[in-house]
Amino acid sequence: GESVGLHLPTLSVQEGDNSIINCAYSNSASDYFIWYKQESGKGPQFIIDIRSNMDKRQGQRVTVLLNKTVKHLSLQIAATQPGDSAVYFCAETLQGAQKLVFGQGTRLTINP
Amino acid sequence: KAGVTQTPRYLIKTRGQQVTLSCSPISGHRSVSWYQQTPGQGLQFLFEYFSETQRNKGNFPGRFSGRQFSNSRSEMNVSTLELGDSALYLCASRAADTQYFGPGTRLTVL
Repeated sequence: GESVGLHLPTLSVQEGDNSIINCAYSNSASDYFIWYKQESGKGPQFIIDIRSNMDKRQGQRVTVLLNKTVKHLSLQIAATQPGDSAVYFCAETLQGAQKLVFGQGTRLTINP
Repeated sequence: KAGVTQTPRYLIKTRGQQVTLSCSPISGHRSVSWYQQTPGQGLQFLFEYFSETQRNKGNFPGRFSGRQFSNSRSEMNVSTLELGDSALYLCASRAADTQYFGPGTRLTVL
């Protein structure tokens, strides 16, 4: 069953293209950020994280950029594949804190 | 390592009833957090347990409660269910600062 909102921002990209998903976070004191991927009927899956002492972090096909000046995060997915179709959430927290604060999410759709 | 497991995966209850959801964290993880996910409010933090103690609580009414056992397994309970409690309830276990989520329990209140 569906797990997420019906009126999420949606990003549609062609298979093989690069995707950029943006997120504005709320707390200027947040110092740890995570991107999650949620497929229909599943829980959020950890993709990549970044701490506030970094501006950029790369994983396999994914890159996260952090701009603390404007409280902005982005997730770049290279060479998107059909399996990348999902809702992507950014989450912020303070290191050592127990609570994650999530963004509203972006639905990524891959066109063949 | 096995991931976070949640039971049951689906529940249907009627208004006024109560419900108990269960979560088993990743082996070795001692922190368990619960979140509610709805289309209207998104993902919202309910509470977090560590070593059987609640360390943090979100902005939910007292009808929402939880506990953690000595083996780190956790349960959450919702009493006097309301229609608005229909949601996906997610459990996450934590290693360092990273939280790993289970598949969730889909609760429908009729």
